[in-house]
Amino acid sequence: DAGITQSPRHKVTETGTPVTLRCHQTENHRYMYWYRQDPGHGLRLIHYSYGVKDTDKGEVSDGYSVSRSKTEDFLLTLESATSSQTSVYFCAISALGNTEAFFGQGTRLTVV
Amino acid sequence: AQSVTQLGSHVSVSEGALVLLRCNYSSSVPPYLFWYVQYPNQGLQLLLKYTTGATLVKGINGFEAEFKKSETSFHLTKPSAHMSDAAEYFCAVSVEADTGRRALTFGSGTRLQVQP
Repeated sequence: DAGITQSPRHKVTETGTPVTLRCHQTENHRYMYWYRQDPGHGLRLIHYSYGVKDTDKGEVSDGYSVSRSKTEDFLLTLESATSSQTSVYFCAISALGNTEAFFGQGTRLTVV
Repeated sequence: AQSVTQLGSHVSVSEGALVLLRCNYSSSVPPYLFWYVQYPNQGLQLLLKYTTGATLVKGINGFEAEFKKSETSFHLTKPSAHMSDAAEYFCAVSVEADTGRRALTFGSGTRLQVQP
């Protein structure tokens, strides 16, 4: 398995609170991605990064921000969590932009 | 923009029967295509991929898929289903943007059930 660690694995939070999810990799891959998985929607891209301090928005980026200050860490922040952000969040990494992505185990986030 | 359509959110087959999971894509440029599998409470695992070259690609666990450009399809097949194949399967496409960057776009998934 690719060396990807997501933390926390499970979290319950209240509406309006900030939440940060962490993705840590030991593969030294340049590209990192955050997806959310919801029933009937597959996985949808939130944000991605092509290197340190180089990030871009995906198709469902509203309400989310990211940061990448080190190659190995990619943080996803919900500034003010809403119930619509209840989901399973997956981090993925890729050595190059044109090869497959490797996925972490996911973080199940519940906003109550 | 690219998109992926998976026909059938649920597919049920008998053990030993043919597995056929359908995937169609839309893309204005040559795509890279992938199939991933997800077992309960786990992340996604790559089954197989098509980038260039041979249009029939073989993956893990006896699965294969054929890229048909004229039909914009990349259907996943396995000759004989096994109980352990029960999982959710995702088709994904990756195309190069004007920036030279790529990201995966996923279909909505197909849950495969295998009946004894």
